[in-house]
Amino acid sequence: DTEVTQTPKHLVMGMTNKKSLKCEQHMGHRAMYWYKQKAKKPPELMFVYSYEKLSINESVPSRFSPECPNSSLLNLHLHALQPEDSALYLCASSLQPGVEKLFFGSGTQLSVL
Amino acid sequence: GDSVTQMEGPVTLSEEAFLTINCTYTATGYPSLFWYVQYPGEGLQLLLKATKADDKGSNKGFEATYRKETTSFHLEKGSVQVSDSAVYFCALKAQGNNDMRFGAGTRLTVKP
Repeated sequence: DTEVTQTPKHLVMGMTNKKSLKCEQHMGHRAMYWYKQKAKKPPELMFVYSYEKLSINESVPSRFSPECPNSSLLNLHLHALQPEDSALYLCASSLQPGVEKLFFGSGTQLSVL
Repeated sequence: GDSVTQMEGPVTLSEEAFLTINCTYTATGYPSLFWYVQYPGEGLQLLLKATKADDKGSNKGFEATYRKETTSFHLEKGSVQVSDSAVYFCALKAQGNNDMRFGAGTRLTVKP
């Protein structure tokens, strides 16, 4: 299994909703990442988990809350989002922190109304 | 800080044409350089990489050479196919850093 699986593929939510994005990999990777990609822009790093511990938070607003319950799962909890948070949210993993080959999921396309 | 600049698109070519997508970088030290490809509706996939000066990365007919003297990592392919239509991202990662920095992306459309 060489895939990173993200669910849901599409999500529409209101500004008062609470929702979660899920990411799963079974490659034994110990680093997992959340990226945000606006239309026609490059992915921007949000969070990095190394060995299930948060190691990088790129000054992301607290309405985004990451969680890594085990080495295979990564969640992104969403609360009180703004319309400008609408984007493609990509999860990625790598064998070890700092290892250069990232495996990306196909993303969750999020629309905030 | 470290950054990547790549040519603006979109680029439209006919099948079997020669492709060049320019990429230059700014970094302290000796970063690793990458090209990622994103097909419609999918996440990014690593296409090729080079980790030191004068290295050439290659995959699926695509090539790029790490040129320290010109701080460049241009992507080339001798004969593109319709299936190469995608967005191509140049990226770098500094030594000892977990942060992969991407360029703005170049959309390539290949017409039959």
